[in-house]
Amino acid sequence: DAKTTQPPSMDCAEGRAANLPCNHSTISGNEYVYWYRQIHSQGPQYIIHGLKNNETNEMASLIITEDRKSSTLILPHATLRDTAVYYCIVRVANYGGSQGNLIFGKGTKLSVKP
Amino acid sequence: DTGVSQNPRHKITKRGQNVTFRCDPISEHNRLYWYRQTLGQGPEFLTYFQNEAQLEKSRLLSDRFSAERPKGSFSTLEIQRTEQGDSAMYLCASTHLAGLTDTQYFGPGTRLTVL
Repeated sequence: DAKTTQPPSMDCAEGRAANLPCNHSTISGNEYVYWYRQIHSQGPQYIIHGLKNNETNEMASLIITEDRKSSTLILPHATLRDTAVYYCIVRVANYGGSQGNLIFGKGTKLSVKP
Repeated sequence: DTGVSQNPRHKITKRGQNVTFRCDPISEHNRLYWYRQTLGQGPEFLTYFQNEAQLEKSRLLSDRFSAERPKGSFSTLEIQRTEQGDSAMYLCASTHLAGLTDTQYFGPGTRLTVL
């Protein structure tokens, strides 16, 4: 699975959009980009994933560049409860039932401030 | 769908004791993963099950660790002769593997402290 690079920390004002970047320059054509977050002392929470098209759900939007070498997770109106560590993970599609475990880096610690 | 549950949430034990953790996955999820997370690090893969079969174990899983998923439903992770280095959060995740992608859903974790 390709390696990802994320800034160690970011701040965001409450009510503003939080834009979390992720570089994955060695991503392969069959690798998806997943985002999880982990609020202090809880298990990781799935946010969103995508292959090459932009994706949106009730939690966030995922913007993937055309060359797929980077992506941005957007929380449109950040709240204090969005304070967490956000993990960007690149993961191969489950062709042939591969192992499929997630490989976490250190993520980005997002602090939402009032 | 009640989510993935793990018990106990916290466990304090003395070095050398055995401990067992339980994970109840989301109903009908055919894959179950165990991860370990130490302070300041992301979760690291330990092992996974496809139904009741344990298919892969990482090198982090020493021979003091054993995991089971007897009927393809709940799973247990046992650590024998615990050491202080075993202190960590133990996370369980489940997913239904079908098609090209799947989403792993995590439980709240069991925090182990070895004194």
